Amino acid sequence: EAGVAQSPRYKIIEKRQSVAFWCNPISGHATLYWYQQILGQGPKLLIQFQNNGVVDDSQLPKDRFSAERLKGVDSTLKIQPAKLEDSAVYLCASSPLAGGAYNEQFFGPGTRLTVL
Amino acid sequence: GNSVTQMEGPVTLSEEAFLTINCTYTATGYPSLFWYVQYPGEGLQLLLKATKADDKGSNKGFEATYRKETTSFHLEKGSVQVSDSAVYFCALIKAAGNKLTFGGGTRVLVKP
Repeated sequence: EAGVAQSPRYKIIEKRQSVAFWCNPISGHATLYWYQQILGQGPKLLIQFQNNGVVDDSQLPKDRFSAERLKGVDSTLKIQPAKLEDSAVYLCASSPLAGGAYNEQFFGPGTRLTVL
Repeated sequence: GNSVTQMEGPVTLSEEAFLTINCTYTATGYPSLFWYVQYPGEGLQLLLKATKADDKGSNKGFEATYRKETTSFHLEKGSVQVSDSAVYFCALIKAAGNKLTFGGGTRVLVKP
């Protein structure tokens, strides 16, 4: 079974530029997550989708970050404009479904963003 | 809110040494607890989990016991190998929504 795919793996941009990341979850997984992992810290949830609806985006900086999940499958995360503090690894994860019981999240390899 | 605190690294060990990584949590009620591992160049992988008090999660020689009285979930392995070199994250999920809250991670380096 193919895992969670992400691209690009690395991206270097200058501040105030825009950038987009792509995620393809495991086939059939209803729930998709984007996490931000700053160097030396644990991942922090940015947004959670179930199918193509947003479940939780309470920690997404909505003035510059946006995300969408078209047709409940692939997802893109965009930053516009980027700031220096956005330098981090952006992780995508998926799970079969969300609810009262835990469903294991499967993580992609991440996209490492460097903002200069 | 929910939070997870784990010991800072790096932890440097020799092969076959005993490994302990401390993890404590703050949450109301009864969270589920997890250890994730991140090997160099790879994504996060679930290592083990425990969903209720006194449960012991185990995998690949690693163990952790859910201790509600001390709000802890310490990770242990009796004899580490070079291949165990990685960053280990303690995490919890509280109630519905499947939202993981992670600790800061502990880097472990095992030398031959």
